[in-house]
Amino acid sequence: QKEVEQDPGPLSVPEGAIVSLNCTYSNSAFQYFMWYRQYSRKGPELLMYTYSSGNKEDGRFTAQVDKSSKYISLFIRDSQPSDSATYLCAMSTTGFQKLVFGTGTRLLVSP
Amino acid sequence: DVKVTQSSRYLVKRTGEKVFLECVQDMDHENMFWYRQDPGLGLRLIYFSYDVKMKEKGDIPEGYSVSREKKERFSLILESASTNQTSMYLCASAQGLAVGQYFGPGTRLLVL
Repeated sequence: QKEVEQDPGPLSVPEGAIVSLNCTYSNSAFQYFMWYRQYSRKGPELLMYTYSSGNKEDGRFTAQVDKSSKYISLFIRDSQPSDSATYLCAMSTTGFQKLVFGTGTRLLVSP
Repeated sequence: DVKVTQSSRYLVKRTGEKVFLECVQDMDHENMFWYRQDPGLGLRLIYFSYDVKMKEKGDIPEGYSVSREKKERFSLILESASTNQTSMYLCASAQGLAVGQYFGPGTRLLVL
């Protein structure tokens, strides 16, 4: 079993929809949680970062961590075609930077 | 903005060739990383460095080596390229605690 599981998709939604992207993990020691967005043939771009449990909001994006369920989510409100990309979750046990990545979920937002 | 650059976007090499991939970051970050990304396998850490001349093995170091002679530059070396090293190679840098890594655009390497 992988430490971090992520549905590969693709997840297809119409423009304006609310999107929910999720990761589950098995290591209860993870404390730092990140979401990256990766456009085709580009490097990943850091979107959101949270520490421990709770929510964090940045514009149309909300990151949620539920440590009791070992489950993290990224919500995108009012989705746009420009949000079409692969979304990777990543997590770390300590303050050091060695991250464990999910394999990514491909999101397609149609106009 | 943090900028991480990689020396090539696309490379084609022959089996057995020595391959150098270079990465430069302009934000004085302490930590630098090399990953490879393959469909269905996600990002896998090859090597990382937390200081000049320091290096640590990641999850898949076999067949690779690295060099960090200057803080801003981290090189990945394939001593004798093999076809199973065909992949997307991503460099990243980060400062201090885990607030996220910043990635370069990637190098697509094809080994024939």
